[in-house]
Amino acid sequence: QVQLQESGPGLVKPPETLSLTCNVSVDSISGYYWSWIRQPPGKGLEWIGYIYYNGNTNYNPSLKSRVTMSVDTAKNQFSLKLTSVTAADTAVYYCVASEYDDDRAYFEYWGQGTLVTVSS
Amino acid sequence: SYVLTQPPSVSVAPGQTARITCGGNNIGSHSVHWYQQKPGQAPVLVVYDDSGRPSGIPERFSGSNSENTATLTISRVEAGDEADYCCQVWDTRTDHVVFGGGTKLIVL
Repeated sequence: QVQLQESGPGLVKPPETLSLTCNVSVDSISGYYWSWIRQPPGKGLEWIGYIYYNGNTNYNPSLKSRVTMSVDTAKNQFSLKLTSVTAADTAVYYCVASEYDDDRAYFEYWGQGTLVTVSS
Repeated sequence: SYVLTQPPSVSVAPGQTARITCGGNNIGSHSVHWYQQKPGQAPVLVVYDDSGRPSGIPERFSGSNSENTATLTISRVEAGDEADYCCQVWDTRTDHVVFGGGTKLIVL
């Protein structure tokens, strides 16, 4: 069983950097690919990218220039930084776990989500 | 990039069968996964790998996938099934995750 919990500021000013952390409760952080997925109010899901325990990353091309993910295996947590935010980045941000990074990649474990509002 | 197309809404009476489609170019060659999302809650995986069912998901939920359309079928629909449903694949050409736009299931 995997449990995830997001944390971070709920309000970010443009064009600052959005920073979120996900604390993970799991037997081994190396057993999963750790993703961030967001959902703007009233809209669909958007995959931001994932990080593996060894630091390998895979980012959505539409956000790649502004995204950095990191992982701290000692603390069982991983993080998201999104730079130069605008109102369009306002969304519920979910941290999510998948066992695979290929055609079998699906998301069985989700955090509860955290709303981040970008506003001055 | 790969595009998944879902109808905005599907309406069904209680006890009937709901079918929610997810269209994509040769989607039959991909593994399709489906999520249910109720208001204010995180999505829940209801079908994986086209037709697999995670532990705890009722047998009423099933999936199929062929050629250019994947389908989530919910049998004997209940009021509690009213939610948004979203399909997802891994785009093998770009190695990225793609979501459909979502379908709102309305139980009449």
